[in-house]
Amino acid sequence: NAGVTQTPKFRVLKTGQSMTLLCAQDMNHEYMYWYRQDPGMGLRLIHYSVGEGTTAKGEVPDGYNVSRLKKQNFLLGLESAAPSQTSVYFCASSYRVVNSPLHFGNGTRLTVT
Amino acid sequence: EDQVTQSPEALRLQEGESSSLNCSYTVSGLRGLFWYRQDPGKGPEFLFTLYSAGEEKEKERLKATLTKKESFLHITAPKPEDSATYLCAVQAETSGSRLTFGEGTQLTVNP
Repeated sequence: NAGVTQTPKFRVLKTGQSMTLLCAQDMNHEYMYWYRQDPGMGLRLIHYSVGEGTTAKGEVPDGYNVSRLKKQNFLLGLESAAPSQTSVYFCASSYRVVNSPLHFGNGTRLTVT
Repeated sequence: EDQVTQSPEALRLQEGESSSLNCSYTVSGLRGLFWYRQDPGKGPEFLFTLYSAGEEKEKERLKATLTKKESFLHITAPKPEDSATYLCAVQAETSGSRLTFGEGTQLTVNP
């Protein structure tokens, strides 16, 4: 039982390049989330999904897109990376949307030069 | 706007020296307050959920309490393995699935 798995663990991009971060969970959770963590900012929600085929914007969605084609997978895309997107990205899942703890992956450290 | 402020930013303790971490929050109707532990290079790991003022939860050397304005994470006789960053988050009645996180308290326990 792996929980939430994120790939890759590290990535360096040049400004303007694109990439996709992959998140997979094996807990059969309906809800999945993408957060970014920056020093002095705390964790901030980028996008989330309440079920297969659904996505919604979070607190800081600009510059990112997401897809949830399968229940167990949640993809985060950067179409044209900017230095401001340098961050650590965490995927999380939960059983319910209300009062249900988040289960986090171990993050992807992205540097945009 | 929901807000969460954690203090102190960093705390150094000697092994066995008990202390408390603070999480002050402003939210329009609290659904739940969450405590997480985060080790370097890892994702946050769930510790506790508190739902209403007066509630307390314990796990080993950790005890979380909740009032209408703040939560405390009490650490009794800490060990070096308790060193980590502790995060607090709130979920408001009006925020759907969104959690508002504090910036965390970095705890170091020296042997």
